[in-house]
Amino acid sequence: EAAVTQSPRSKVAVTGGKVTLSCHQTNNHDYMYWYRQDTGHGLRLIHYSYVADSTEKGDIPDGYKASRPSQENFSLILELASLSQTAVYFCASKDWGNQDTQYFGPGTRLLVL
Amino acid sequence: GQQVQQSPASLVLQEGENAELQCNFSSTATRLQWFYQHPGGRLVSLFYNPSGTKHTGRLTSTTVTNERRSSLHISSSQTTDSGTYFCAITGANTGKLTFGHGTILRVHP
Repeated sequence: EAAVTQSPRSKVAVTGGKVTLSCHQTNNHDYMYWYRQDTGHGLRLIHYSYVADSTEKGDIPDGYKASRPSQENFSLILELASLSQTAVYFCASKDWGNQDTQYFGPGTRLLVL
Repeated sequence: GQQVQQSPASLVLQEGENAELQCNFSSTATRLQWFYQHPGGRLVSLFYNPSGTKHTGRLTSTTVTNERRSSLHISSSQTTDSGTYFCAITGANTGKLTFGHGTILRVHP
């Protein structure tokens, strides 16, 4: 099965600070995604990428940037963290040829104080 | 945008009982998946089921595309089935997933 890892697994940040969440996949998947999950809700797409050095906006991109420096790595950046960005963040990857099977990382729990 | 509604929001069962989870979605031109989220947070894919019926173990998924609905049936529930079940629909080409709010299932021994 595809391996998707995330770091850190949890983080406490201060309001206005910069936060970088990292995602790494080892299966040469073309697509990578960042989602956030709020308590009691499903996942919502923030940013995604289908090729290195390119990112696309998802459904809720405001307040977030993304970076795809290589096929294996996809980062989510909060330049000025806010209280409303407290959530669990999931990274996922998917192969170009396999349209619908996304493999998810274990999640990063972010608390902004 | 695309919308996904799930019901019930939560469900409590005694071990051995069956469960039926429902998902309704806004467009017929979608591909539907069911996911399970462990209590610890890990998300795993259960079914990719754009239409028809699929089985795996004690789980059965039935999607009626032209009625924009899908169901997930869990037979003979076990305590290890506890967690949250999501249905999600896939956007064409991008693979973008739109999730429902989930059904929280608790199975008591």
